[in-house]
Amino acid sequence: GDSVTQMEGPVTLSEEACLTINCTYTATGYPSLFWYVQYPGEGLQLLLKATKADDKGSNKGFEATYRKETTSFHLEKGSVQVSDSAVYFCALSDDNQGGKLIFGQGTELSVKP
Amino acid sequence: DVKVTQSSRYLVKRTGEKVFLECVQDMDHENMFWYRQDPGLGLRLIYFSYDVKMKEKGDIPEGYSVSREKKERFSLILESASTNQTSMYLCASSDQGEPSRETQYFGPGTRLLVL
Repeated sequence: GDSVTQMEGPVTLSEEACLTINCTYTATGYPSLFWYVQYPGEGLQLLLKATKADDKGSNKGFEATYRKETTSFHLEKGSVQVSDSAVYFCALSDDNQGGKLIFGQGTELSVKP
Repeated sequence: DVKVTQSSRYLVKRTGEKVFLECVQDMDHENMFWYRQDPGLGLRLIYFSYDVKMKEKGDIPEGYSVSREKKERFSLILESASTNQTSMYLCASSDQGEPSRETQYFGPGTRLLVL
C-alpha cells in the first residue's frame, strides 16, 4: 500500500542554519504531497503542498519540490529561526485511497539561538 | 479562517468507560476525519465521513465508532476504553472537491489518558 518515510529526528540546528528534511513515498496512483507542521501544544497545520510532478510548494521560506523520478518531496529552508521549532509531517493523499492522508512518522526540529 | 474545535484538550478515563470525543468545524466542510497520533508512528486514520450519517473505516477502526448526525459535528466513541487507547486524538475537516487535493484543517487535539 501507499506509504511515506521521512528522516528520523530529532534534528537540532543553530539559528540561520540550512534545513533539509527528507521525505520519500510509495504510491500506486498519482498522489498529492503535503508538509504539515505541528507547533508545541497545537494541532497540525498545512505548511505547503504540491499536487503534481515537478510542482514546487512554498510557504514561510520553506520549499519542497514534487520529484516523481525519485519519489521524493524533501522540505528545505535556507535559514531557520527559533520559531521554526516544531514537528514536521510529510503526507500523501491518493485518489486510489479515497483521498485520505497517509503520514510519515514526523521529524522534530529544534532550533537553538 | 477555518476553525476546528475539539471538546477537550485533556481527558483522563478509566478502563472500560465509554468515552466521547467531540469535534466541530465551522466552515461547512463535507469531509471530516479522526486520527490518533502516537510517537514514532505519525498520524493514523481511525474513521472518516464524507457526508452526514456517512462513515468509512480508516486504517485502525477497531475499538472505535463514530457518529455524524449534523454536518458540522463528528464524534469519536470509544465503546470500552482500554489502556492501549491512550493517545493524542486529532480531528480534521476538508472541503468537498477532488479528495486527494483538498487541504485538511486540524483541531488542537485531545490528549486522552486511560488508566
